[in-house]
Amino acid sequence: DQQVKQNSPSLSVQEGRISILNCDYTNSMFDYFLWYKKYPAEGPTFLISISSIKDKNEDGRFTVFLNKSAKHLSLHIVPSQPGDSAVYFCAASNGGSQGNLIFGKGTKLSVKP
Amino acid sequence: DAGVIQSPRHEVTEMGQEVTLRCKPISGHNSLFWYRQTMMRGLELLIYFNNNVPIDDSGMPEDRFSAKMPNASFSTLKIQPSEPRDSAVYFCASGTKNIQYFGAGTRLSVL
Repeated sequence: DQQVKQNSPSLSVQEGRISILNCDYTNSMFDYFLWYKKYPAEGPTFLISISSIKDKNEDGRFTVFLNKSAKHLSLHIVPSQPGDSAVYFCAASNGGSQGNLIFGKGTKLSVKP
Repeated sequence: DAGVIQSPRHEVTEMGQEVTLRCKPISGHNSLFWYRQTMMRGLELLIYFNNNVPIDDSGMPEDRFSAKMPNASFSTLKIQPSEPRDSAVYFCASGTKNIQYFGAGTRLSVL
């Protein structure tokens, strides 16, 4: 039973355009959400996060949107750059779990020059 | 800080052998996590520690897997005996509150 789902295994975008990566969750107890980026042969790297009390968090080219009623979050990358090509993981936690994260299976983003 | 350090980066062993993976977390982090990544199942949490105490080991696949954290700066994940289906990338992560920081992983191949 997947509590965090990333339904698109891959996404291809042209350089300079917007990349939108989506994530759905089923557990209404989740109160903190994160996005990680992973390059081949490296560990996942923390990218951006959002608390459930917010609906948007922005950091440079990266913005995460949270829709609690739909149990849906998305990561927007604008403008997309070839260096953004990586696998992106969505993760969720609840405050009582001492930091335990539940990860989606990832979306592979390819940004073409 | 050098980040989370895992060793070895690659391990090739034969079925039945004991395998020990090592992890040095980021200094000051009070939580440590062991994950396994496979194509089929993605990133799975195996076990995590808080203040060196195992909190949840429900993700450990079977008794062949064990993990220890003897002090705040070192943890091991042991597989004994290893089997071909254990082949995967094993990640260690450390964190404080909600954010985890990952090591580069150990790629294990059991022949």
